[in-house]
Amino acid sequence: DIQLTQSPSFLSASVGDRVTITCRASQGISNYLAWYQQKPGKAPKLLIYGASTLQSGVPSRFSGSGSGTEITLKISSLQPEDFATYYCQQLNSYPPTFGQGTKVEIK
Amino acid sequence: QVQLVQSGAEVKKPGSSVKVSCKASGGTFSNHAISWVRQAPGQGLEWMGGIIPTFGTANYAQKFQGRVTIIADESTSTAYMELSSLRSEDMAVYYCARGRFPGEWLSSHDYWGQGTLVTVSS
Repeated sequence: DIQLTQSPSFLSASVGDRVTITCRASQGISNYLAWYQQKPGKAPKLLIYGASTLQSGVPSRFSGSGSGTEITLKISSLQPEDFATYYCQQLNSYPPTFGQGTKVEIK
Repeated sequence: QVQLVQSGAEVKKPGSSVKVSCKASGGTFSNHAISWVRQAPGQGLEWMGGIIPTFGTANYAQKFQGRVTIIADESTSTAYMELSSLRSEDMAVYYCARGRFPGEWLSSHDYWGQGTLVTVSS
C-alpha cells in the first residue's frame, strides 16, 4: 500500500494567515491526489482533485500543487470556517489510502 | 443534487455482523463508484472497498478481505456494506461516498453519506 504522510499533523494559525499542508507519498502517485476538509461530526468534503483542480463551489483561496511524491494544499488567507481537519488521499493505486490528517486550529 | 442517505446507528455484539445501506438520489447511480470509508473515534479515514453498480463486482482493501461484502441494487439505487466477525476495533462511523468520475474505479469522492455509527459492545 502507498503510505501518505501529512505535515504538519497539527497547525495553529490565525485568521488571515497563509497555510501550507504537505502530503508526501511513499512512492510516486503522479497527480492522483485529492484533498478533503472535515469538520467535527461531519462527513469529509472534497476540496481538490487531480492534485490541483478545485472542486465546484470551493473558494479560490484553496489551491493545490505538486506531483510525484510531494503535493501541497495552500490556503491563501485562512477564514474562520476553514478551521477543520484536512486529509489527502491518493488515487494512483489500490487501496486508495488517506494521510493521517492535519488539524488546523485557531491560534 | 446528489444525496446519499445512510441507514441509522447500530449496536452490535462482538462476533456478529452489521449491514449498512446507502441510498442515492439525484444524478446517476449505476456508473459511479460507491466506496465505503470508515473512521474510528478520533482517528483518520480508512477506505474499505468500493463498487461500480453497473459492473457488479467490488474491490476490497486487503485488510478487510473475507470480512466485508459490498453490493449494489440498481433498482433501488442503494449500496450496502456488510462487515462480519465484528470486534471492538470495528467501532467507527462508516461512510459511503460517490466517485466523482463515472466509470472510474479510483476516483475522488464528491458526495458523502451522513455516516452511520456502528458500536460494538458486549
